[in-house]
Amino acid sequence: DGGITQSPKYLFRKEGQNVTLSCEQNLNHDAMYWYRQDPGQGLRLIYYSQIVNDFQKGDIAEGYSVSREKKESFPLTVTSAQKNPTAFYLCASNRGNTDTQYFGPGTRLTVL
Amino acid sequence: QKEVEQNSGPLSVPEGAIASLNCTYSDRGSQSFFWYRQYSGKSPELIMSIYSNGDKEDGRFTAQLNKASQYVSLLIRDSQPSDSATYLCAALYNQGGKLIFGQGTELSVKP
Repeated sequence: DGGITQSPKYLFRKEGQNVTLSCEQNLNHDAMYWYRQDPGQGLRLIYYSQIVNDFQKGDIAEGYSVSREKKESFPLTVTSAQKNPTAFYLCASNRGNTDTQYFGPGTRLTVL
Repeated sequence: QKEVEQNSGPLSVPEGAIASLNCTYSDRGSQSFFWYRQYSGKSPELIMSIYSNGDKEDGRFTAQLNKASQYVSLLIRDSQPSDSATYLCAALYNQGGKLIFGQGTELSVKP
């Protein structure tokens, strides 16, 4: 089955901790994206990567970091510098930056 | 600031009616537009994409694009309770290929 997987589905973090959210795709897509969604809001772009070993900041990159060492993987680290990290995090991918983006199932992060 | 605006709703329609969802965008350079459906607690799934002025139909769904007015709409014919969800409009910002999302319109279809 081709698709995008995210893990874990739910994540709880204590204040001051860094946590890493996983995103894997087996669609052979070149581009991958991370979005954040807050209740009643649309999606806001955190980081994106159009090719392995390269990534760009989105609109709300502060307090987050990413890596793209493999084509199929684009993990997101939520650092302790992110002041309000509780949100629904969505990973997406596509073949190129003008193509339709497809989403993984998401990770719901809660800070305790 | 590139923006996409949607009425947040909720929009309530009776079963079998036509639901009309609207979206405006600020970037005249945007060429590609997408409608996603998002059920509560789930991730967005693509309903329609549209790139040219006019209408595009897919089953009960019709997307309409008017680039002169910077306006995109989604019509859902014969609405079903299973269509109850939040509908997200997105415009592709050509510089860097970034998708800009609206805040979503919540649709409720009453049996």
